[in-house]
Amino acid sequence: QVHLVESGGGLVKPGGSLRLSCAASGFTFSDYYMGWIRQAPGKGLEWLSYIGGSGRVKYYADSMKGRLSISRDNPKNSLYLQLDSLRADDTAVYFCAKSRGGPYYFQHWGQGTLVTVSS
Amino acid sequence: EIVLTQSPGTLSLSPGERATLSCRASQSVNSNYLAWYQQKPGQAPRLIIHGASSRATGIPDRFSGSGSETDFTLTISSLEPEDSAVYYCQQYGSSWTFGQGTKVEIK
Repeated sequence: QVHLVESGGGLVKPGGSLRLSCAASGFTFSDYYMGWIRQAPGKGLEWLSYIGGSGRVKYYADSMKGRLSISRDNPKNSLYLQLDSLRADDTAVYFCAKSRGGPYYFQHWGQGTLVTVSS
Repeated sequence: EIVLTQSPGTLSLSPGERATLSCRASQSVNSNYLAWYQQKPGQAPRLIIHGASSRATGIPDRFSGSGSETDFTLTISSLEPEDSAVYYCQQYGSSWTFGQGTKVEIK
């Protein structure tokens, strides 16, 4: 059974950085594209980034380009998202999600981790 | 970037009624790469439909998707109380974008 657990969220000051993690289990991690999506309080879903199975191919949303970096550690079955130069409007729940295989729809989602940017 | 516009914003219906949710794209969606997700309060989204009309594993057959190019529809044929949620469409044919969501309320 696919299981995705995010961690690393919390309270950070404007301009600060945070590294989110996603621990995956129940499937062959390196076979799947993985992504990050966020949801601001009371708002809709926003795709942020996708990474290929080997980690070589990466895609980023223009809205956050230059301020985030996706990576993965396949032997550890872990996905990461580095967030830099954080602003108040980056406050959101950040979800990791597993693709069907390639960079398509999101077949499975974690429960999310809350990032709050405030002084 | 393909912009997805969902309508209506909120749908309030009684159990057993039919719900029709619309998702309109600003340009044609490649290969009908359109998915629908259900999100209940405090929960992660759950995949309902992919490829515009294919039900995801474990999804009841009262959920169906249709449409092509720029106009897509999610239909819930006979609403159950547990279908109360926000529904999002997402296109994955050209980058990845979500619609703003339709809230389905059960009277």
